[in-house]
Amino acid sequence: EPEVTQTPSHQVTQMGQEVILRCVPISNHLYFYWYRQILGQKVEFLVSFYNNEISEKSEIFDDQFSVERPDGSNFTLKIRSTKLEDSAMYFCASIHGQGANTIYFGEGSWLTVV
Amino acid sequence: DAKTTQPTSMDCAEGRAANLPCNHSTISGNEYVYWYRQIHSQGPQYIIHGLKNNETNEMASLIITEDRKSSTLILPHATLRDTAVYYCIVRAFNTNAGKSTFGDGTTLTVKP
Repeated sequence: EPEVTQTPSHQVTQMGQEVILRCVPISNHLYFYWYRQILGQKVEFLVSFYNNEISEKSEIFDDQFSVERPDGSNFTLKIRSTKLEDSAMYFCASIHGQGANTIYFGEGSWLTVV
Repeated sequence: DAKTTQPTSMDCAEGRAANLPCNHSTISGNEYVYWYRQIHSQGPQYIIHGLKNNETNEMASLIITEDRKSSTLILPHATLRDTAVYYCIVRAFNTNAGKSTFGDGTTLTVKP
């Protein structure tokens, strides 16, 4: 079964540092998403991306966050200057855009800011 | 998205059927019911979805009431590996369906 892959699986970074989380969505999918889950809390939507631009973003997705699809296969989430409260599991997801629109999630990147 | 209500937790004996309810009384006519599960902080995993008819796949069955205000996910023979948080999500069948609102879900514990 096709899958969404994410790297790194775990990253520890110092507060104030920039972090880039990478995702390879399923190859024929057209819509891409980032979610996050702080330990013990709900899965929260961050941003959706279609046709090389952000289609929707949540209040969490402030100026410190950015997304990019640099080469037609990778989909990245950048946090410019990490804060302690950015520590969370970040999930990438994609959907085909036609048919069932089932959301496929990656296994997540666990970010720890110290 | 329509709001959903699920019990916080449920237990099930291994090998027995697990029946997980979900209330979605404000569901609109164009909204589907999706079920996902999350095993121990892994990425949420799609299980099944439906509009108004009952659905079955290799993982589970979905029973939707005639008025569509509630549904039940059935795992016919629960195993220990089915221990997870199960999310019921109601979402329109549109192109931004990936933007979904996850609630607290039901923590299902399958016991030997």
